[in-house]
Amino acid sequence: GAVVSQHPSRVICKSGTSVKIECRSLDFQATTMFWYRQFPKQSLMLMATSNEGSKATYEQGVEKDKFLINHASLTLSTLTVTSAHPEDSSFYICSALGAGIHQPQHFGDGTRLSIL
Amino acid sequence: AQKVTQAQTEISVVEKEDVTLDCVYETRDTTYYLFWYKQPPSGELVFLIRRNSFDEQNEISGRYSWNFQKSTSSFNFTITASQVVDSAVYFCALSEEMNNNDMRFGAGTRLTVKP
Repeated sequence: GAVVSQHPSRVICKSGTSVKIECRSLDFQATTMFWYRQFPKQSLMLMATSNEGSKATYEQGVEKDKFLINHASLTLSTLTVTSAHPEDSSFYICSALGAGIHQPQHFGDGTRLSIL
Repeated sequence: AQKVTQAQTEISVVEKEDVTLDCVYETRDTTYYLFWYKQPPSGELVFLIRRNSFDEQNEISGRYSWNFQKSTSSFNFTITASQVVDSAVYFCALSEEMNNNDMRFGAGTRLTVKP
């Protein structure tokens, strides 16, 4: 089945650091990728939708300058948390949607980000 | 706007009991998809089922079964003869075709199965 690889799985870093998370579709081309954030004991909240070759669409309340998304190819999207602070600590999950109608989303295993 | 409600925040059962997790959704779209995911403590999302809005047939997969009723906008999930390994957070989700298929999750139900 379709596989989405997300890397790294865990990051611990100091406040002020920028962190890049990669999301790769390994065996299919993903025209659209989604980024979600999940705070402890809460649900997944959609942060942004990225389409290959175009700018990402951010959900209300998500700072585009804080969370930079690049979807440069049909198999790779990256999320960069710039100048991360402790309040950015969260579980980030990406998903990828293949081309064609009625395709399901395939989720990565998530990245647990801890900012000290 | 689409919305998913999982009214049960936490459920605790004893092993071998049956348990039903409720999911109620709202949508204006006629073409949509409903999902259930399991999230164990390790965090990854485990896909359980996807059902499109035109298929109201109930589904059974081993100890799992799903009851989709458009009349009540519900997509409930039942685990029969629960096991300790079923302990996890379960999310119901909805995606609408007219909204680029982005997925909206319910708040989740934390299921604890005690031995």
